[in-house]
Amino acid sequence: DAGVTQSPTHLIKTRGQQVTLRCSPKSGHDTVSWYQQALGQGPQFIFQYYEEEERQRGNFPDRFSGHQFPNYSSELNVNALLLGDSALYLCASSRSVNEKLFFGSGTQLSVL
Amino acid sequence: KQEVTQIPAALSVPEGENLVLNCSFTDSAIYNLQWFRQDPGKGLTSLLLIQSSQREQTSGRLNASLDKSSGRSTLYIAASQPGDSATYLCAVEETSGSRLTFGEGTQLTVNP
Repeated sequence: DAGVTQSPTHLIKTRGQQVTLRCSPKSGHDTVSWYQQALGQGPQFIFQYYEEEERQRGNFPDRFSGHQFPNYSSELNVNALLLGDSALYLCASSRSVNEKLFFGSGTQLSVL
Repeated sequence: KQEVTQIPAALSVPEGENLVLNCSFTDSAIYNLQWFRQDPGKGLTSLLLIQSSQREQTSGRLNASLDKSSGRSTLYIAASQPGDSATYLCAVEETSGSRLTFGEGTQLTVNP
């Protein structure tokens, strides 16, 4: 049983570019959450998707957007990249909105 | 706004020592608290989850306690091993299905 899978594992972009990160939830899970983890910091909540809708959102600008597909997989899009967007982006899935989270290994994004 | 603090930020101990990691949170109205382990550049692995009605949870050499009224949790690691070297994060969930609010973590090094 595959856990939460994220792609790509590493990504290098330049300022102003746009990026799309992908996440496949654990089998049987229908809720996906995204977190940003800067170096040396704890993860910060970006948003949560359930039934293809954004259910909760953290304190992130509109440059951060997402999508959930009918098969429950999800994408995180970041527009107009800034140097400060460099971080490990973590996806977590759960069986429903109020169940335990399982985290993927993350996508390391570097913005130059 | 919930804030989570972890002390110490870093800890280095010789193999075999028992140790305690501390976590405090500002708003005691939480749903549950989790302790996670994170290896460098990797995702999060849940170690222990304590519901707000519980006082402690144990798994092998790990024991986590929760004192909701004082806004504190501790993670006790018995007979530490070099393989325990990692960053340990605590996170609180304020209501069922809500976002996790993380501390900045304690970086543990266990020396052979």
